[in-house]
Amino acid sequence: AQSVTQLDSQVPVFEEAPVELRCNYSSSVSVYLFWYVQYPNQGLQLLLKYLSGSTLVKGINGFEAEFNKSQTSFHLRKPSVHISDTAEYFCAVSNQAGTALIFGKGTTLSVSS
Amino acid sequence: DTGVSQNPRHKITKRGQNVTFRCDPISEHNRLYWYRQTLGQGPEFLTYFQNEAQLEKSRLLSDRFSAERPKGSFSTLEIQRTEQGDSAMYLCASSWYRGGTGELFFGEGSRLTVL
Repeated sequence: AQSVTQLDSQVPVFEEAPVELRCNYSSSVSVYLFWYVQYPNQGLQLLLKYLSGSTLVKGINGFEAEFNKSQTSFHLRKPSVHISDTAEYFCAVSNQAGTALIFGKGTTLSVSS
Repeated sequence: DTGVSQNPRHKITKRGQNVTFRCDPISEHNRLYWYRQTLGQGPEFLTYFQNEAQLEKSRLLSDRFSAERPKGSFSTLEIQRTEQGDSAMYLCASSWYRGGTGELFFGEGSRLTVL
């Protein structure tokens, strides 16, 4: 069985500062990893995904994440955040058998000026 | 726009009543998923279909919950004899699956409030 742990429930940052949202996963098989974002009163939207290949993946809105197999992590980063990045961010894991995504509990990113 | 559509968006009901939610996936997608999300939590997997076959059900899906996807198109999620603990956002997602997981596209959800 797979599981996801998002290490920070809330991350407050100032505008233009860098940010890292941490995600660790547990799985006995090869995994696919995802970051989704949920803006207030909106549905979940895919930010980026790791399926295979390069361990550094780039997504929308300037976000990127690095897959680290030895540390079983998939941390999300952005070098300079905007007020509009304020949202809930979810890390999720699946596997090559195509099972349903398992989500973490989420990290609330609050960007202030 | 041909995204995932969910109806109704909001439902308020009294304890003990039955409710049904509908999800219309992206038309070419063969997989359809139901998740439940409560305040401050991530989406919790309930069940998923590939075409019309229900392939997996979570232990969260008690016998008061039933989901169907007749003809492999839209899906319904019915909750019988609702309880206050059923209050949540019910999310539907769809994907094109062919030998490996693909991106899930989510609808905006159906919010259930049980009084």
